Amino acid sequence: GENVEQHPSTLSVQEGDSAVIKCTYSDSASNYFPWYKQELGKRPQLIIDIRSNVGEKKDQRIAVTLNKTAKHFSLHITETQPEDSAVYFCAASINTGFQKLVFGTGTRLLVSP
Amino acid sequence: DGGITQSPKYLFRKEGQNVTLSCEQNLNHDAMYWYRQDPGQGLRLIYYSQIVNDFQKGDIAEGYSVSREKKESFPLTVTSAQKNPTAFYLCASEGQGWSGELFFGEGSRLTVL
Repeated sequence: GENVEQHPSTLSVQEGDSAVIKCTYSDSASNYFPWYKQELGKRPQLIIDIRSNVGEKKDQRIAVTLNKTAKHFSLHITETQPEDSAVYFCAASINTGFQKLVFGTGTRLLVSP
Repeated sequence: DGGITQSPKYLFRKEGQNVTLSCEQNLNHDAMYWYRQDPGQGLRLIYYSQIVNDFQKGDIAEGYSVSREKKESFPLTVTSAQKNPTAFYLCASEGQGWSGELFFGEGSRLTVL
């Protein structure tokens, strides 16, 4: 079955710096890769996703890149702000008509003012 | 206000007791999911249901049971057979037409004393 590894487990940056979180997946049939943000005590929320037919997607300060050959994808946050502090989860799934996501273990991002 | 409601938010249970976690959604979503979240392990799939009166085991279904008698409701029972039930439990539903986005509830934290 699918296995998703995520690194680093914790990441501390200064406000204004960039942050990069990386994930690798094992099943080459995976074709959907979302990123969820979970603030302390709150529910996970989708922040960006990418499908296997594109290599990069941007939404304001966040972007995701996908390398299908290497089976890895990354989340990039530019100009980080304290409100970006949260746990970020990557996930991968195969389009079988419903979501059977396999999640990474999460990255705790701390943005210091 | 549309969304997913989980209850209770906090629950304490003695060893050997079954407990049922409630999950209700008014988003008219067909697919619903239960995940377990443990520190450092990400989100792991317990059970999922694509449609009323149908559900499937996820990756860690042992010691858990579910029902899906109504579209809006997907309760999870943690049985005494679950060896390590203390965890944070998240319910989610998926948008129509395989949008890809999971909508999560706020979670239920179960502690076994």
